Amino acid sequence: QSVLTQPPSVSEAPGQRVTISCSGGSSNIGNNAVNWYQQLPGKAPKLLIYYDDLLPSGVSDRFSGSKSGTSASLAISGLQSEDEADYYCAAWDDSLNGVVFGGGTKLTVL
Amino acid sequence: EVQVVESGGGLVKPGGSLRLSCAASGFTFSNYNMNWVRQAPGKGLEWVASITYRSSYIYYADSVKGRFTISRDNAKNSLYLQMNSLRVDDTGVYYCARTSQSWSTGYSGYVEWFDPWGQGTLVTVSS
Repeated sequence: QSVLTQPPSVSEAPGQRVTISCSGGSSNIGNNAVNWYQQLPGKAPKLLIYYDDLLPSGVSDRFSGSKSGTSASLAISGLQSEDEADYYCAAWDDSLNGVVFGGGTKLTVL
Repeated sequence: EVQVVESGGGLVKPGGSLRLSCAASGFTFSNYNMNWVRQAPGKGLEWVASITYRSSYIYYADSVKGRFTISRDNAKNSLYLQMNSLRVDDTGVYYCARTSQSWSTGYSGYVEWFDPWGQGTLVTVSS
């Protein structure tokens, strides 16, 4: 059971928009920044969104992040087949004194 | 190019030990906090341990506390993970990741994220 809660899977058609939610608590998302990582099949994780809503250089602006209270969301617009991957949210947890990850969400582009 | 490369994984029996290494290049290693994150087969990511740039502060996940030791050698641009008393459920791919950070007035402190990640090294604990 992960400290941060994500839906196990989401799916949407190419060209559409999808959102992935990440729910936590006051000791993690409620008090710390949220980061998102993308893991393509068979590959290492890669930073996708950092500091709640910032895009690293080289990441498509089809990806966006947001945060409100103890929840965060990742949105992907103009879905493409290459977006099929596992997506993880993460945040520092003040109570656990460590980083906590969501369980991951598998995105399928239909 | 900024990169980190793990090595040292392999097959070990329950109760055994293994030492992972992570070689950093393309950045001033001694200026950055570093981390280990693992992923069991078919499962999600699990943070394992973190160490600050001068080794002043070290943090462990409860699941590995007392069994694993994170360390670094700034002169060698290397990060290590000594794993003792290994269990079957320690099996997985172990990733090394650099911490990047930025001061945030909104959060009244530093915000941190993991970037880059290495390609991972597989640890299999089995009899």
